[in-house]
Amino acid sequence: AQKVTQAQTEISVVEKEDVTLDCVYETRDTTYYLFWYKQPPSGELVFLIRRNSFDEQNEISGRYSWNFQKSTSSFNFTITASQVVDSAVYFCALSEAGGSYIPTFGRGTSLIVHP
Amino acid sequence: DAGVTQSPTHLIKTRGQQVTLRCSPKSGHDTVSWYQQALGQGPQFIFQYYEEEERQRGNFPDRFSGHQFPNYSSELNVNALLLGDSALYLCASSLGATTNSPLHFGNGTRLTVT
Repeated sequence: AQKVTQAQTEISVVEKEDVTLDCVYETRDTTYYLFWYKQPPSGELVFLIRRNSFDEQNEISGRYSWNFQKSTSSFNFTITASQVVDSAVYFCALSEAGGSYIPTFGRGTSLIVHP
Repeated sequence: DAGVTQSPTHLIKTRGQQVTLRCSPKSGHDTVSWYQQALGQGPQFIFQYYEEEERQRGNFPDRFSGHQFPNYSSELNVNALLLGDSALYLCASSLGATTNSPLHFGNGTRLTVT
């Protein structure tokens, strides 16, 4: 079973639209961390955020916000007023105490923002 | 502050050949992890090196081996290349093994096996 599921393979929006990228995870550990990374066409994955399992507070950073809900095992990522520069593949990842904190990545969601 | 650097950028090899990929971690980092990313997929963990030893290993055959040097740089070696080894190979560095510190990735090496 996949530990991190990103059901949306590709999302296409027009600039200035809001968009939410879904991430559902599966773990039996009580201590774990969730991450989001952005992969632009250059190939380098860029770290965006890390959340631990004991902190369900939502976080906002500029146009980015994250909604962590343990009850539904989800860690969704919303981009407000999307821009063309947001076009990239976004990966959600899970690292577990029982897995020596080696991140397991989802398959990614390709976001295309049209001008 | 130099980030993670990988070389070469692109590589074309023939089935059965061997390849070596190189990685220099971000300044101050001591742990290097290697990932394989097939087209349209997420990165898959190959192994992690810390203190010049392989600390963790993913589900990859022994054809995949590595090394870490005293300056923390690392190499990934793949023997007896198969067509299925064609992928983007990503190196990531972090501070300390078995921690939850975020990974810093390089731009990757695109390996094509023909």
